[in-house]
Amino acid sequence: AQSVTQPDIHITVSEGASLELRCNYSYGATPYLFWYVQSPGQGLQLLLKYFSGDTLVQGIKGFEAEFKRSQSSFNLRKPSVHWSDAAEYFCAVGATNDYKLSFGAGTTVTVRA
Amino acid sequence: NAGVTQTPKFRVLKTGQSMTLLCAQDMNHEYMYWYRQDPGMGLRLIHYSVGEGTTAKGEVPDGYNVSRLKKQNFLLGLESAAPSQTSVYFCASSWETGGNEQFFGPGTRLTVL
Repeated sequence: AQSVTQPDIHITVSEGASLELRCNYSYGATPYLFWYVQSPGQGLQLLLKYFSGDTLVQGIKGFEAEFKRSQSSFNLRKPSVHWSDAAEYFCAVGATNDYKLSFGAGTTVTVRA
Repeated sequence: NAGVTQTPKFRVLKTGQSMTLLCAQDMNHEYMYWYRQDPGMGLRLIHYSVGEGTTAKGEVPDGYNVSRLKKQNFLLGLESAAPSQTSVYFCASSWETGGNEQFFGPGTRLTVL
């Protein structure tokens, strides 16, 4: 079965600074990979997803993620964060023959002025 | 197009009481899911359904039952609530397997006293 690890529980970043959130997955084949964002009191919104092809994926709100098969990673990046990016971010992995997604524990991002 | 909706938004129960959470989607999705979200644990799958009239157990099914009598609705029941079931519950739906994104509802915050 697939699994996901998000090593960072909490990250604090200054507004305007760059952000990188780490995600490592475990799966025997090429996975489907997702990043979701959850603002306080809200449901989860998809930021971006990777299925195949170009390993650098662009998403909404200026986010991008890079799939690195050799490192089993799918890190999320944003060049310049805005105060509205303060939220919890979840990495998820899906298998090609499974209905389910496995979620990481999440990384909470705090943006300071 | 409302997407995925959940009722109620908040609920407080006493130990031993029962309740049903309702999830509805208007995207004609075949697959629906119930998750619980607890601090530091990400989202864990409770039950899921791959079509009308079908249900299956997820990662943490004990203490919950589900029904999918209509394609657009997925009900989650707690027959005898316990304090360990205090959580935020999310419903999600998707078109097919893990290769497609899951769309999430806004969540139900349940407290069991």
